[in-house]
Amino acid sequence: KQEVTQIPAALSVPEGENLVLNCSFTDSAIYNLQWFRQDPGKGLTSLLLIQSSQREQTSGRLNASLDKSSGRSTLYIAASQPGDSATYLCAVKVTGNQFYFGTGTSLTVIP
Amino acid sequence: DGGITQSPKYLFRKEGQNVTLSCEQNLNHDAMYWYRQDPGQGLRLIYYSQIVNDFQKGDIAEGYSVSREKKESFPLTVTSAQKNPTAFYLCASSIDPTTGARQFFGPGTRLTVL
Repeated sequence: KQEVTQIPAALSVPEGENLVLNCSFTDSAIYNLQWFRQDPGKGLTSLLLIQSSQREQTSGRLNASLDKSSGRSTLYIAASQPGDSATYLCAVKVTGNQFYFGTGTSLTVIP
Repeated sequence: DGGITQSPKYLFRKEGQNVTLSCEQNLNHDAMYWYRQDPGQGLRLIYYSQIVNDFQKGDIAEGYSVSREKKESFPLTVTSAQKNPTAFYLCASSIDPTTGARQFFGPGTRLTVL
């Protein structure tokens, strides 16, 4: 069974800093990997989707990379802002139409 | 506006009662999903449906039931057999369950058992 791990569980950085969030998965046989943002008490908002054949995706200040062979993905956030404070989750899609989620990294950007 | 709606936002249930959580989407997506989120744990799949009148159990289906009579609707019933139902429930959909399509989520329903 696929297991998804996110480290660190929590991260606090000063405003303006660049940061990297990590996601690792145990089985490299994935269709895609998706990064989400979740604000407290809210649903998930999709940030970036990387297909298994892709190496990275970019959207604004966000860049996500995927290394299937090593079972890793990173989410890079440039020039962090207080509005970036949220929990970030990664999820992998495997065969059988199942998605497996990590436990998330709680990010706090200090003004 | 296209999207996924869930109702109610907050739900309180007495022990022994069944409750039904609503999930509606107007994105014309074929696949719909129900997840449960508990503090310190990742989302766990309860049920998913790839097409109308078809659904499959996820990892934690015991004590839950679903129906998919219409493409846009996928209600979840939490039965009295679910021993620890207090959690945050999230509904999601994707356009094509067989490809690497993006998942979209609703705002969630927080269920509390009194």
